[in-house]
Amino acid sequence: EAQVTQNPRYLITVTGKKLTVTCSQNMNHEYMSWYRQDPGLGLRQIYYSMNVEVTDKGDVPEGYKVSRKEKRNFPLILESPSPNQTSLYFCASSSTSGMGEFFGPGTRLTVL
Amino acid sequence: KQEVTQIPAALSVPEGENLVLNCSFTDSAIYNLQWFRQDPGKGLTSLLLIQSSQREQTSGRLNASLDKSSGRSTLYIAASQPGDSATYLCAVRGYSGAGSYQLTFGKGTKLSVIP
Repeated sequence: EAQVTQNPRYLITVTGKKLTVTCSQNMNHEYMSWYRQDPGLGLRQIYYSMNVEVTDKGDVPEGYKVSRKEKRNFPLILESPSPNQTSLYFCASSSTSGMGEFFGPGTRLTVL
Repeated sequence: KQEVTQIPAALSVPEGENLVLNCSFTDSAIYNLQWFRQDPGKGLTSLLLIQSSQREQTSGRLNASLDKSSGRSTLYIAASQPGDSATYLCAVRGYSGAGSYQLTFGKGTKLSVIP
């Protein structure tokens, strides 16, 4: 089954404790992205990757890091989480053939 | 920078009614437009994808149209059902430079279908 998986689905952590949210897709897609969704602000892109070892900032990259060492994986790293990073995070992938974006189930992160 | 607006922000209709959700975007140089459905606290489910060269797409009771020149898209839902209650998101993929394409979302229309 074609899918984008994210782990963990729920995470409660404390300020400053480094964390990683994993994302994996099994569709051999070139593009992968991370979004955060906040009430009243909608979905905003954090980082995206056009292919292995190629990443770039989206609209709200501050406080986040990403890496793309393999085509299927695109982890999101919060080196020193802060409460304003409490949000619902989505990973997505798409192909260069323009067949639309596939989203993961989301990770709800709470930073205390 | 691309901006996507969805009107109305919320809509409540009786079951069985046909309805239209609107999406407008500021930059007509788009690659494609995608409509999603999102249930509360859940992920995004793709409903319809319209390529920039297309005028409309249909899936079951859903029909999406695209008028690229005027920067508008509509999602038509026929014979609405309570199970259609969700937030509907419009997303536009446009060229953002250096060979990359960025997806820009509207803030959504929250639909409630009353039995």
